[in-house]
Amino acid sequence: AQSVTQLDSHVSVSEGTPVLLRCNYSSSYSPSLFWYVQHPNKGLQLLLKYTSAATLVKGINGFEAEFKKSETSFHLTKPSAHMSDAAEYFCVVSDRGGSQGNLIFGKGTKLSVKP
Amino acid sequence: DGGITQSPKYLFRKEGQNVTLSCEQNLNHDAMYWYRQDPGQGLRLIYYSQIVNDFQKGDIAEGYSVSREKKESFPLTVTSAQKNPTAFYLCASSIDLPGSPRTQYFGPGTRLLVL
Repeated sequence: AQSVTQLDSHVSVSEGTPVLLRCNYSSSYSPSLFWYVQHPNKGLQLLLKYTSAATLVKGINGFEAEFKKSETSFHLTKPSAHMSDAAEYFCVVSDRGGSQGNLIFGKGTKLSVKP
Repeated sequence: DGGITQSPKYLFRKEGQNVTLSCEQNLNHDAMYWYRQDPGQGLRLIYYSQIVNDFQKGDIAEGYSVSREKKESFPLTVTSAQKNPTAFYLCASSIDLPGSPRTQYFGPGTRLLVL
């Protein structure tokens, strides 16, 4: 069965410093992986998705993630944090083992950015 | 403007009352989904529909009902049988494209509160 673990429930960085949000997955199949961002009281916005075309995936707002099969990881990074990056981030794996491709969500990592 | 709309933004339910949350999309997506979000728990799937006039239970369907009479609409009813309905409800839709994992796009959410 597929699962996803976000290793930190809360990450705090200073503005202008790098961001690292960690995610490990478990999948019996070749996984489809996603990162979504949610600002308070808003819906989820797609940041990026892994399509197996390239292991380094670039997303919106300067974020990127690297798929590492040997480590079963899909960590999200950004070189320099902005105040507007403060939000909750979800790592997600697609349950392609079923025909519906339903999503399995991590519990989220809340990112705080200090001025 | 293409997108997913949810209404109302806030909804109050009295004891023993059924309430219906609206979800509409004009993206021409085939599949639609309802999720419940509680603090620290990520998103949990309530119901999903791959096609008009068909839908399946997700992980936490008890106390909820849905219909899919039109492609663009997927309303969710929270019945009186749902004993703990206070949560943030998110609707999503998706479409299958060749060579790309099924990707879900989310509406802005409805916050349901019990009086």
